[in-house]
Amino acid sequence: AQSVTQLGSHVSVSEGALVLLRCNYSSSVPPYLFWYVQYPNQGLQLLLKYTSAATLVKGINGFEAEFKKSETSFHLTKPSAHMSDAAEYFCAVTPRGYSTLTFGKGTMLLVSP
Amino acid sequence: DADVTQTPRNRITKTGKRIMLECSQTKGHDRMYWYRQDPGLGLRLIYYSFDVKDINKGEISDGYSVSRQAQAKFSLSLESAIPNQTALYFCATSDPGQSPDYGYTFGSGTRLTVV
Repeated sequence: AQSVTQLGSHVSVSEGALVLLRCNYSSSVPPYLFWYVQYPNQGLQLLLKYTSAATLVKGINGFEAEFKKSETSFHLTKPSAHMSDAAEYFCAVTPRGYSTLTFGKGTMLLVSP
Repeated sequence: DADVTQTPRNRITKTGKRIMLECSQTKGHDRMYWYRQDPGLGLRLIYYSFDVKDINKGEISDGYSVSRQAQAKFSLSLESAIPNQTALYFCATSDPGQSPDYGYTFGSGTRLTVV
């Protein structure tokens, strides 16, 4: 079985500050990992994905994430927050050979001026 | 037009009523999924289908049923709605030909309220 733990249901940052959203996973086999973003009243949009190539993955809107097997982590970062980054972010995992995504509970990112 | 279309966008229904949520896609993907989203609980898988003849239960299938009418259509039914089925429901698709990317395409969601 696989699972995802997102630390912090809400994260608040100031505009221009570093964004760090934490994700730890559990998987019985090597995983594929994803970050999705959900803006208000919208569906989920894929930000980035790790599929066993480079461990540092770059996504859209300046976000990136690093796969660390030893720490079973896949934290999402952005060097400088923008007001438009305010949204809910979901980490998701699927073990290789499986076919469905398991999502974390989400982290709401709040950006203040 | 959106790649994955869900109807209705919003629905209020009464306890005990039967309701169907519909999903259609123009992606040409074989795989389709239904998730529900609840505040603080993230997205949980209800049912999924890998082709027209394949239906699988997800994590929380009790109280729900599905129908895969065609490659492009996947409907979710609540046979007798109850208030704790109030949630935001998402349909998603994926293409095994893109494996191992497993990039899901999501619809915009159906907000269901059961009173």
